[in-house]
Amino acid sequence: GAGVSQTPSNKVTEKGKYVELRCDPISGHTALYWYRQSLGQGPEFLIYFQGTGAADDSGLPNDRFFAVRPEGSVSTLKIQRTERGDSAVYLCASSPQGAPGGELFFGEGSRLTVL
Amino acid sequence: AQSVTQPDIHITVSEGASLELRCNYSYGATPYLFWYVQSPGQGLQLLLKYFSGDTLVQGIKGFEAEFKRSQSSFNLRKPSVHWSDAAEYFCAVGPLNNDMRFGAGTRLTVKP
Repeated sequence: GAGVSQTPSNKVTEKGKYVELRCDPISGHTALYWYRQSLGQGPEFLIYFQGTGAADDSGLPNDRFFAVRPEGSVSTLKIQRTERGDSAVYLCASSPQGAPGGELFFGEGSRLTVL
Repeated sequence: AQSVTQPDIHITVSEGASLELRCNYSYGATPYLFWYVQSPGQGLQLLLKYFSGDTLVQGIKGFEAEFKRSQSSFNLRKPSVHWSDAAEYFCAVGPLNNDMRFGAGTRLTVKP
């Protein structure tokens, strides 16, 4: 596609369940980022991939959160034992070159609601 | 650690009036600075960026921003606001390790 695609656009789940959010970046972009945006806040960095490897995962809040990018393209953000505080919009972005200062192209996000 | 502050949570301006959105950053070296816009139901879109050189940078949709090192600021301006500019605006700082930090955002309302 022409832009960054994220699925699902909306996900409602119950506390304690497992959730997967998918990001399909712009073709050819080597860098991929996950951010979390809570209501009334700016995007909060979670993890950055360069190719298949996680170059920086310092933003993941705890070990319930994990992300993979096995073939250097599509990425999946996985959240185990979801909590109500995980409710947010999860944004994915890709960049053609990564550091330093590469422009990020964002998807529309996946809105996660944990009941 | 790097951080970004957007002091104004919400700003209302009349259509045709000028606009300035404030952004202050904290970073140990010259940062890479960005302004993004987020319209309802849409992804974040880059308006402009500053890396080095001329401290006044031009962006899309008639926006510009000025980097002032002495004030650690990167304020966004537009001389005449259009109704379609109503959106959320985010300032961001991107250091070398790609951990781009965003401010909390400023919501712009445009009055007819």
